[in-house]
Amino acid sequence: GAVVSQHPSWVICKSGTSVKIECRSLDFQATTMFWYRQFPKQSLMLMATSNEGSKATYEQGVEKDKFLINHASLTLSTLTVTSAHPEDSSFYICSARGSVFDTQYFGPGTRLTVL
Amino acid sequence: DAKTTQPPSMDCAEGRAANLPCNHSTISGNEYVYWYRQIHSQGPQYIIHGLKNNETNEMASLIITEDRKSSTLILPHATLRDTAVYYCIVRDNFGNEKLTFGTGTRLTIIP
Repeated sequence: GAVVSQHPSWVICKSGTSVKIECRSLDFQATTMFWYRQFPKQSLMLMATSNEGSKATYEQGVEKDKFLINHASLTLSTLTVTSAHPEDSSFYICSARGSVFDTQYFGPGTRLTVL
Repeated sequence: DAKTTQPPSMDCAEGRAANLPCNHSTISGNEYVYWYRQIHSQGPQYIIHGLKNNETNEMASLIITEDRKSSTLILPHATLRDTAVYYCIVRDNFGNEKLTFGTGTRLTIIP
């Protein structure tokens, strides 16, 4: 299957700081990328969908000014958690697909801990 | 809303076939059945998908009933590394529908 990477794999930051997470499709061009969040013992919850060159579409209840998403190229999307607080601590997972008909592949996830 | 129903947990002996059921009684004609699994602290891994015919790849087989209201994922010879949460998801490949995860089935392979 296609490969999606994320960086960093884990990050610890102080409350009030911003953290950027990168998601890359390594061997295909990703027209659409998705960002999910997963709290302990829960399932994945979709945060937002981004198409290359367009503004992201956020799911209900997700603050777009807090979770900034940029999908500037067909192989890279970034999620910036601004002014992070302890309740933002979670496992953030990106996924990507080529065309709308293609399978969606997931990155390995980024564990964010906000102190 | 998740459009699928799966048992919350299952056990399977190592070396045996693991059969994971999924009900999707409201599936529509354009919707595919996808299976992913998530090993602890990792991102989901794609396993297989199908529309109405049975499918097989190097990881698993997918059996879809004729009325398409349910399916079964089969891991033919389960190993300890197959211990994971397995998610069955329906998705319309012809729209722009996103993958919505339910609670999945926690499969534990017993030595």
